[in-house]
Amino acid sequence: AQKVTQAQTEISVVEKEDVTLDCVYETRDTTYYLFWYKQPPSGELVFLIRRNSFDEQNEISGRYSWNFQKSTSSFNFTITASQVVDSAVYFCALSEGAQKLVFGQGTRLTINP
Amino acid sequence: GAVVSQHPSWVICKSGTSVKIECRSLDFQATTMFWYRQFPKQSLMLMATSNEGSKATYEQGVEKDKFLINHASLTLSTLTVTSAHPEDSSFYICSAGGTSGRQFFGPGTRLTVL
Repeated sequence: AQKVTQAQTEISVVEKEDVTLDCVYETRDTTYYLFWYKQPPSGELVFLIRRNSFDEQNEISGRYSWNFQKSTSSFNFTITASQVVDSAVYFCALSEGAQKLVFGQGTRLTINP
Repeated sequence: GAVVSQHPSWVICKSGTSVKIECRSLDFQATTMFWYRQFPKQSLMLMATSNEGSKATYEQGVEKDKFLINHASLTLSTLTVTSAHPEDSSFYICSAGGTSGRQFFGPGTRLTVL
């Protein structure tokens, strides 16, 4: 069965600090997709990244970067030089072809000025 | 990216009434749509998979007679919460699957049952 674990329930840092959100997943499939979503207070999910299981290259997009390691079944997300606007709940999610998404418990990130 | 809308964005109803939530894919055709529920400070849980022209597939523990799903066209799926009770108060989010394999999420509907 699929499972996504985000062990960090809440993280609070001061603005400009770097912060890493952890995500560990379980799946029996060899083909799957991993996602990160941001959910601000409005509730609407904001897509951040999708990575397929065959692409282990790390990705950087501005202040965001993702580290995918199949050997440890992890897909961690780092925000560099955090800003107050980064405050939100972040979800890691997994899908196996059928597009059905399994979400982690979410990490509530608070960036303090 | 593709746009998915939901209507209404919020609704307050009395216990025992039924509430219908619409999910529309505005600029693409979606053969599959998904309905999720999110209780306060919790994660999103898949309720059901809605397939155009066929019956929805419900996740374990979700009452299909209480949460009626209709996917009558390639751009519209509806979720009807029948005989709503306070414990059904939640944030309901739909998504539509695109050909790229990625899901596009609607903005969500906040349901409060008094």
